[in-house]
Amino acid sequence: EPEVTQTPSHQVTQMGQEVILRCVPISNHLYFYWYRQILGQKVEFLVSFYNNEISEKSEIFDDQFSVERPDGSNFTLKIRSTKLEDSAMYFCASSEVSGGNTGELFFGEGSRLTVL
Amino acid sequence: QKEVEQNSGPLSVPEGAIASLNCTYSDRGSQSFFWYRQYSGKSPELIMFIYSNGDKEDGRFTAQLNKASQYVSLLIRDSQPSDSATYLCAVNEGGGADGLTFGKGTHLIIQP
Repeated sequence: EPEVTQTPSHQVTQMGQEVILRCVPISNHLYFYWYRQILGQKVEFLVSFYNNEISEKSEIFDDQFSVERPDGSNFTLKIRSTKLEDSAMYFCASSEVSGGNTGELFFGEGSRLTVL
Repeated sequence: QKEVEQNSGPLSVPEGAIASLNCTYSDRGSQSFFWYRQYSGKSPELIMFIYSNGDKEDGRFTAQLNKASQYVSLLIRDSQPSDSATYLCAVNEGGGADGLTFGKGTHLIIQP
């Protein structure tokens, strides 16, 4: 069964360092998302991406964040200068059609980021 | 600011009984409503979505939507221990690649 894969599963970094989280969405999907979940908190929307550009972003997705689809398969989230409060599980998701219409978001298993 | 509210629980239900999970949302413009299940340490997985007022049934699950009251619920019939998880309510305004607004989730425990 097709699945969304994310790497790394866990990354530990020092405050101020740059981090890149990688995702391989399901191959025929057109919409890509990043969400995060701070431990014990709710899942929060960061950004959606369609047709090689950002479709929507939340207030959380400030200038330290960026997304890219560098080739036909990978979808990356870059955090330029990590802060302690960036520690969270980051979920990549993809959908075949607009996730907002069908809700059929397929989530990856997540990348746990720990900022020290 | 869009808000989705759920009782965090834990909600404890005996095996075989009906589990009832509730959710309210603040944005009257919300068009689409979803229930996700999340096991501890795992990613969310979609259980059901609903767009129209009323009930929608899928196997042991029934989603109920009341837009006038801004209320969504999920009923799980014949609860099984494997249903023990956190259930996330999510909403969005619909259309395009809109992000979902999630509630904090209700922790459901099915007692054998």
